[in-house]
Amino acid sequence: DTGVSQDPRHKITKRGQNVTFRCDPISEHNRLYWYRQTLGQGPEFLTYFQNEAQLEKSRLLSDRFSAERPKGSFSTLEIQRTEQGDSAMYLCASSFQGGDTGELFFGEGSRLTVL
Amino acid sequence: GQNIDQPTEMTATEGAIVQINCTYQTSGFNGLFWYQQHAGEAPTFLSYNVLDGLEEKGRFSSFLSRSKGYSYLLLKELQMKDSASYLCAVKTNAGKSTFGDGTTLTVKP
Repeated sequence: DTGVSQDPRHKITKRGQNVTFRCDPISEHNRLYWYRQTLGQGPEFLTYFQNEAQLEKSRLLSDRFSAERPKGSFSTLEIQRTEQGDSAMYLCASSFQGGDTGELFFGEGSRLTVL
Repeated sequence: GQNIDQPTEMTATEGAIVQINCTYQTSGFNGLFWYQQHAGEAPTFLSYNVLDGLEEKGRFSSFLSRSKGYSYLLLKELQMKDSASYLCAVKTNAGKSTFGDGTTLTVKP
């Protein structure tokens, strides 16, 4: 297994456009998380899944953000009508709930720049 | 919700020892993580505490006091490569982890 992979690594878009990020977690992991990180801040929780079920979505997240994990494997995060404030690194992480610690394994992130 | 506080920046000398503190307030506590994040890279797992006490792993140790809502990460024999951001994260019973804003550690020769 090569770890958590995210695509694309970089995305530059114009304000108002839609963007979609994909995350492929470690195959045996049943939990998948999306976080957003800006410079000088820690990762901010967006949403997470156990298998295909979305367990929680941050109250801070507007309706422009949606995430899916249709078959309990890969996940997509879509941002509609992007705004300049959406510019950030979007991190995906996976974990195995039921293991010793449940630590998160992060992907390299997808950096979004909204012009 | 969760409240996690850690110092913004710290500086230490190569070969020295540094302690990075983290205080938290949360409901449904189910463990505390420390992650390391080098500039431009993803966070990587360092340690996990769920019971009170000290966990030692090589040059790194982590301590937890649940009653005080307090943890620290201790780094010994500092090396230049230890310059990074250190993130404290609290896990809840639901399995979600909430992160602090991180402590940027600069190791000087």
